[in-house]
Amino acid sequence: EIVLTQSPGTLSLSPGERATLSCRASQSVSSSYLGWYQQKPGQAPRLLIYGASSRATGIPDRFSGSGSGTDFTLTISRLEPEDFAAYFCQQYGSSPLTFGGGTKVEIK
Amino acid sequence: EVQLVQSGAEVKKPGESLKISCKGSGYSFTSYWIGWVRQMPGKGLEWMGIIYPGDSDTRYSPSFQGQVTMSADKSISTAYLQWSSLKASDTAMYYCARYSYGRPLDYWGQGTLVTVSS
Repeated sequence: EIVLTQSPGTLSLSPGERATLSCRASQSVSSSYLGWYQQKPGQAPRLLIYGASSRATGIPDRFSGSGSGTDFTLTISRLEPEDFAAYFCQQYGSSPLTFGGGTKVEIK
Repeated sequence: EVQLVQSGAEVKKPGESLKISCKGSGYSFTSYWIGWVRQMPGKGLEWMGIIYPGDSDTRYSPSFQGQVTMSADKSISTAYLQWSSLKASDTAMYYCARYSYGRPLDYWGQGTLVTVSS
């Protein structure tokens, strides 16, 4: 089973700042089958990024993903008020699929 | 429009059985897997397993094997997650999501909150 470790656990930033979230895998994620999801309180997760760097439909270009192998990054270039939420990475290239523990982006 | 609509919140006692549902629409229900994800209160997302409604092929995450049963009725485009004997530790939000191999979870249900308390 591939274990995904996200850091930091909590990120305290102000609107307009840049957010950098990390997701590290215990072994290489095949074909960059790595996705990022956003979850707001009381809502289901929403797909942001797939294939490590492709934005899902309707996702603003301030969200970007990068990385390969075992190290992946989600970057939010300028935080908007609606971006304060929890973010989870997930690998879907190896069974069982696994999620990272999440990073909460909170208002400083 | 692709939609996954889950059944409503449930409050149960330990030892009771339960079956929750996830109804798909707006796409070919038998051409995609349905995955189930658990989220315990204040915690992260846990992958439970997948079912292929086309032939009911099922794959469970090792952590959930034997703890739950996944099923599907393709005639009504509905997938199910059931417990035969609930425990307090089953208290969580449960999500269904559309899945295909090599693709992420692109559409999610709204979630079903299951509360198990005596």
